[in-house]
Amino acid sequence: QITLKESGPTLVKATQTLTLTCTVSGFSLSTSGVGVGWIRQPPGKALEWLALIYWDDDKRYSPSLKSRLTITKDTSKNQVVLTMTNMDPVDTATYYCAHKSPILEWPYWGQGTLVTVSS
Amino acid sequence: SYELTQPPSVSVSPGQTASITCSGDKLGDKYVSWYQQTPGQSPVLVIYQDEKRPSGIPERFSGSNSGNTATLTISGTQAMDEADYYCQAWDSSTLFVFGTGTKVTVL
Repeated sequence: QITLKESGPTLVKATQTLTLTCTVSGFSLSTSGVGVGWIRQPPGKALEWLALIYWDDDKRYSPSLKSRLTITKDTSKNQVVLTMTNMDPVDTATYYCAHKSPILEWPYWGQGTLVTVSS
Repeated sequence: SYELTQPPSVSVSPGQTASITCSGDKLGDKYVSWYQQTPGQSPVLVIYQDEKRPSGIPERFSGSNSGNTATLTISGTQAMDEADYYCQAWDSSTLFVFGTGTKVTVL
């Protein structure tokens, strides 16, 4: 059974750096074709893809946020970490991590974690 | 950047058919996925590669994609289908793009 769980601060201040951790189980981060990504959703708004890291450490970022994002993985810990610099109140959102398979796009999602950015 | 546009809302009577559209430039040339999200819950994949259903998704969910428009169809809509629905595609410039979302109300 594949599961993902996000963890990190629920409140950050503007200009600070946000660090979120996704802990996965039921699959290996080194399995060929597999990836883990981050997607966020501001309250009452649409989903927005942020970043993706593949089993071979290939990384992809949203062009509009690329300068602020870094995604890494620790295969031994089954964890994927997302950092976002220079946080702003508009970054207030629920942040999800999700499993990407070679075919199904995003078939498994974490429960999400709400991050509020205060000014 | 690539954009996917959906109608904000769709209303349907129980047992009837709901159609949700997703529009984007040459969308028919891309694979489209659809996600269902109920309040307070994480999204659930209901359609991938335009028309395929993941295991466990009811047959009343179907999809199609041609030209500039992809469509998610819910046949025999049930009260439990009331949710927000998002389309998603991959574009070489914007990478993973989600649609604007559609709220389906079962009246």
